[in-house]
Amino acid sequence: EVQLLESGGGLVQPGESLRLSCAASEFTFISYALSWVRQAPGKGLEWVSTITHSGDNTFYADSVKGRFTISRDNSKNTLYLQMSSLRAEDTALYYCTKDLKRPYDFFDYWGQGTLVIVSS
Amino acid sequence: DIQMTQSPSSVSASIGDRVTITCRASQGISTWLAWYRQKPGTAPKLLIYAASSLQSGVPSRFSGSGSGTNFTLTITSLQPEDFATYYCQHAKSFPLTFGQGTKVEF
Repeated sequence: EVQLLESGGGLVQPGESLRLSCAASEFTFISYALSWVRQAPGKGLEWVSTITHSGDNTFYADSVKGRFTISRDNSKNTLYLQMSSLRAEDTALYYCTKDLKRPYDFFDYWGQGTLVIVSS
Repeated sequence: DIQMTQSPSSVSASIGDRVTITCRASQGISTWLAWYRQKPGTAPKLLIYAASSLQSGVPSRFSGSGSGTNFTLTITSLQPEDFATYYCQHAKSFPLTFGQGTKVEF
């Protein structure tokens, strides 16, 4: 069974940085695009970022562009999200997701999420 | 950016009911649409992709239809585990966006 295990969340102050990790297993990691999707408390789903299978292409929501960086280490089967200049509105549960298959950027597996709280 | 609008925001239903949720895209997205179910305290689950393809392992009571700008998710014979929030999502181009969600409640 595919597993996605996020880590790295926590409480930070506005303006600080945080790096999320997602350890993946039980699928051919290098073959799939991966994404981050977040959900603010009591709110809906918001796509954050996607990285292609090779890592050559990355895409970001306007709300995080220039502040967040998605990356992957295909040798470690791990996805990352480097978040900087964090704002209160970045407070959310961050899910690591696996894309269904090319060319579909739909998410067939989700991690359990890691909670990021940005507050002074 | 493509905006996704779901209706209704919430629907009251009972076990065994047929429920239909609609999703409208602000511009044509062909069939680049998925539906997810999210039960409280859990991650979303992919139900339907490419507007009408049933994801592996998903019960056949779920079906999707539509293309262009108008889409529907139909649940026939609602089960207890279907009381949840449902989201549509387009994948026509980046940025990807979700609908605001439809809560199916008792």
